[in-house]
Amino acid sequence: KAGVTQTPRYLIKTRGQQVTLSCSPISGHRSVSWYQQTPGQGLQFLFEYFSETQRNKGNFPGRFSGRQFSNSRSEMNVSTLELGDSALYLCASRRQRMNTEAFFGQGTRLTVV
Amino acid sequence: AQTVTQSQPEMSVQEAETVTLSCTYDTSESDYYLFWYKQPPSRQMILVIRQEAYKQQNATENRFSVNFQKAAKSFSLKISDSQLGDAAMYFCAYRSAVGGGSQGNLIFGKGTKLSVKP
Repeated sequence: KAGVTQTPRYLIKTRGQQVTLSCSPISGHRSVSWYQQTPGQGLQFLFEYFSETQRNKGNFPGRFSGRQFSNSRSEMNVSTLELGDSALYLCASRRQRMNTEAFFGQGTRLTVV
Repeated sequence: AQTVTQSQPEMSVQEAETVTLSCTYDTSESDYYLFWYKQPPSRQMILVIRQEAYKQQNATENRFSVNFQKAAKSFSLKISDSQLGDAAMYFCAYRSAVGGGSQGNLIFGKGTKLSVKP
């Protein structure tokens, strides 16, 4: 059974550009959550999608957005990139929202220059 | 708001020895889940062990066990017979079990970097 797949693994972007990251959850999983990991702030929750609807959102500016498709795949978008957006972006999937563990992908390392 | 605190930024253990990683949390909720995740250099977060707050019995998974003290809001991880492959960052995490939007996200501590000496 394939795990959570995140693409691309590495990304270098210039300040002011936008970026889209992709996450394919484990087959049968309908919940996808995104987290940002930085040395200074640690792991912070961005948002969660379930059945193509955003269910919960962390404390991030509107430049961070996401969506989920009917096959449960999810994308997150960051517009007008800032140097501080450099981070490891992790995606996690769950079969249902309640009472289940989250399985993580290997992340996308975004560097903004 | 819930918070998770890991007071040990780094820990070291000799191979085959036992080490305990500390975690405390703050919440006003009575129903929740606690987790320990391992993040090796490959960056993928791997679930080590989970504990349901309503269960008094401490969870165990092979060489990994927890000491869950609900009243003290403490959730420590004990690794027995440490192996070189246990070297990684370990994160303690909290998830609400109460209905509503907050049930979707994990709240993480800052992590403890565990080194295993041969």
